[in-house]
Amino acid sequence: KNEVEQSPQNLTAQEGEFITINCSYSVGISALHWLQQHPGGGIVSLFMLSSGKKKHGRLIATINIQEKHSSLHITASHPRDSAVYICSGGTSGSRLTFGEGTQLTVNP
Amino acid sequence: NAGVMQNPRHLVRRRGQEARLRCSPMKGHSHVYWYRQLPEEGLKFMVYLQKENIIDESGMPKERFSAEFPKEGPSILRIQQVVRGDSAAYFCASSPAGRSYEQYFGPGTRLTVT
Repeated sequence: KNEVEQSPQNLTAQEGEFITINCSYSVGISALHWLQQHPGGGIVSLFMLSSGKKKHGRLIATINIQEKHSSLHITASHPRDSAVYICSGGTSGSRLTFGEGTQLTVNP
Repeated sequence: NAGVMQNPRHLVRRRGQEARLRCSPMKGHSHVYWYRQLPEEGLKFMVYLQKENIIDESGMPKERFSAEFPKEGPSILRIQQVVRGDSAAYFCASSPAGRSYEQYFGPGTRLTVT
C-alpha cells in the first residue's frame, strides 16, 4: 500500500464542472503539497498546507489531519486545467512522498 | 517556482556518455533534493543534500549516479555511462534549513539517451 494514495487516477469533466481530487496518506506529515504537471512540463506547486483550507483563484485545497485526508477542488473548470495533479506529503525527514497522480481532462 | 533554476532543460546524450544536470536553489535555501520521473511513472526521491554534505542518498541507483552540492555554485547530479533506461525527467527542489517539508520545485531537466 502506498503511503500516499490519490483518487481517482483519471478524471474527465466538461468545462464548467466542479472537480474534486482526493488524497489519503498513512504517514505522519508536516505539510501536504498539491502539485500540477502539464504534459511534458515542469512541476508547479499549487498549495502547501498543514491544516484547514487554502484558496487561490478557482482552486481550493483542504486537509483533515485527524482523518489523514486532503482534497483539491477546482470550481468552474476550464480546458486549461487539464493536467496531472499530484498529492505529496512532506515529513520532518527529508523526502517528499508522492501519490501516483490524477490525470484530469476538461473537455470544452 | 521561478526561484529554483535547472539547466539544461533538455539534454540528449548517446549511450555511454556522461550527463551533468545542474540545480540552483532558491535564494536563501540551503537544502536541495533530486527526484526522478521515469516515463509514465510517478516521482521518486533520489537524494537530499545540504551544502557540502549528502544527507540521504537512499534513492540513488548504486552505480553510475552521483550528486554534489558544493559550497559555491549549483548542485550537480551526474550520471556516468548513461543507458536508455536513464531517460527521464529529473526534478530538483529546494527548501529552507529546518523546513524540509517546504520544498519548491524547479522546471526539470528532460534527459534523452539515444
